[in-house]
Amino acid sequence: AQKITQTQPGMFVQEKEAVTLDCTYDTSDQSYGLFWYKQPSSGEMIFLIYQGSYDEQNATEGRYSLNFQKARKSANLVISASQLGDSAMYFCAMGKYNFNKFYFGSGTKLNVKP
Amino acid sequence: DAGVTQSPTHLIKTRGQHVTLRCSPISGHKSVSWYQQVLGQGPQFIFQYYEKEERGRGNFPDRFSARQFPNYSSELNVNALLLGDSALYLCASSYDNRDTEAFFGQGTRLTVV
Repeated sequence: AQKITQTQPGMFVQEKEAVTLDCTYDTSDQSYGLFWYKQPSSGEMIFLIYQGSYDEQNATEGRYSLNFQKARKSANLVISASQLGDSAMYFCAMGKYNFNKFYFGSGTKLNVKP
Repeated sequence: DAGVTQSPTHLIKTRGQHVTLRCSPISGHKSVSWYQQVLGQGPQFIFQYYEKEERGRGNFPDRFSARQFPNYSSELNVNALLLGDSALYLCASSYDNRDTEAFFGQGTRLTVV
């Protein structure tokens, strides 16, 4: 069975600082994908970044980077230079070969302070 | 281009009633999935449809059903509503089964009273 664990219910970060959101996963599959989504209060899930299990380099997308440590089964999200608009819920998710079926963690609520 | 659209955005139903939620995927996308997100939790997978066939089902009772139409839009039906069905219902679309990016709609917030 697949399981995603996010151990930080809430995080605070000062504007312009970097923040790391933790995510660990458990799977017996060899091929899988790891995703991070942002969910503002409006409810829509916004795709941020993707890492494939066979990708050797850590994924980066603008201010977002994914610190992928396969042996530790962790996929932490790093947000550099935090902005007030980054305040939202962040969900880590895992998908198998069928990538339109995700297993989500419980989320981390990020608050960016001015 | 229009993103994933869901309707209605909000609705209130009474216990025991039936509800139908609708989702229109991004144009050209053939795969639609449904998720239930209870307040304070992450979304949970309910169904996936691809090319009008059910390709996956999560751990939900038979009161939940869905279908996909020839134009790839989808409906989620829930019968005999319970208070615990109150949640945000999210629809996600992707081009096919193996697309690495799924696009979510804004969700339908269902309240059962």
